[in-house]
Amino acid sequence: EAQVTQNPRYLITVTGKKLTVTCSQNMNHEYMSWYRQDPGLGLRQIYYSMNVEVTDKGDVPEGYKVSRKEKRNFPLILESPSPNQTSLYFCASSFKGGSPLHFGNGTRLTVT
Amino acid sequence: AQSVTQLGSHVSVSEGALVLLRCNYSSSVPPYLFWYVQYPNQGLQLLLKYTTGATLVKGINGFEAEFKKSETSFHLTKPSAHMSDAAEYFCAVSDRGGANSKLTFGKGITLSVRP
Repeated sequence: EAQVTQNPRYLITVTGKKLTVTCSQNMNHEYMSWYRQDPGLGLRQIYYSMNVEVTDKGDVPEGYKVSRKEKRNFPLILESPSPNQTSLYFCASSFKGGSPLHFGNGTRLTVT
Repeated sequence: AQSVTQLGSHVSVSEGALVLLRCNYSSSVPPYLFWYVQYPNQGLQLLLKYTTGATLVKGINGFEAEFKKSETSFHLTKPSAHMSDAAEYFCAVSDRGGANSKLTFGKGITLSVRP
């Protein structure tokens, strides 16, 4: 089954404790992206990747890192999480940039 | 730069009534346009898309949308609402897959359906 898999679904952590949210897709998509969803703000893009080893900042990249060492994986790294990063995070992939996105089921992160 | 405006954050309709969710876009190039739906505790899924050709686009679950270039709009409609349509709906625009292309989303509209 074609899918985007994010883990974990729920994560509660404390300020400053490094964490990684994993994302994997099995559709051989070139494009992958991370979004955060906040009430009243919709989806905002954090980082995206056009292909392996090619990443770029989205609209709200501060406090986040990504890497794209393999085509299927695109982890999101928070080196020093802060409470303002409490949010619902989505990973998505598509055949190429601008094509319809396939979304994971989300990761709800709480930073205390 | 491209942008999407979805006016209002919440729409409530009765079961069986017309659903109309508005979307206006701004783009410097002819756009690709999309509607996504998000059910509770799930990711977004594609409802329909406009790329080229016919301006009236049909999607899943009886939804359709019409691309109107002169009005820069891509409103989503469904003739008869069903309880299962209650969800959050997002309009999105892209610049046709150009270099560094991406989807830009609106803020979303929550649709409630009253029995």
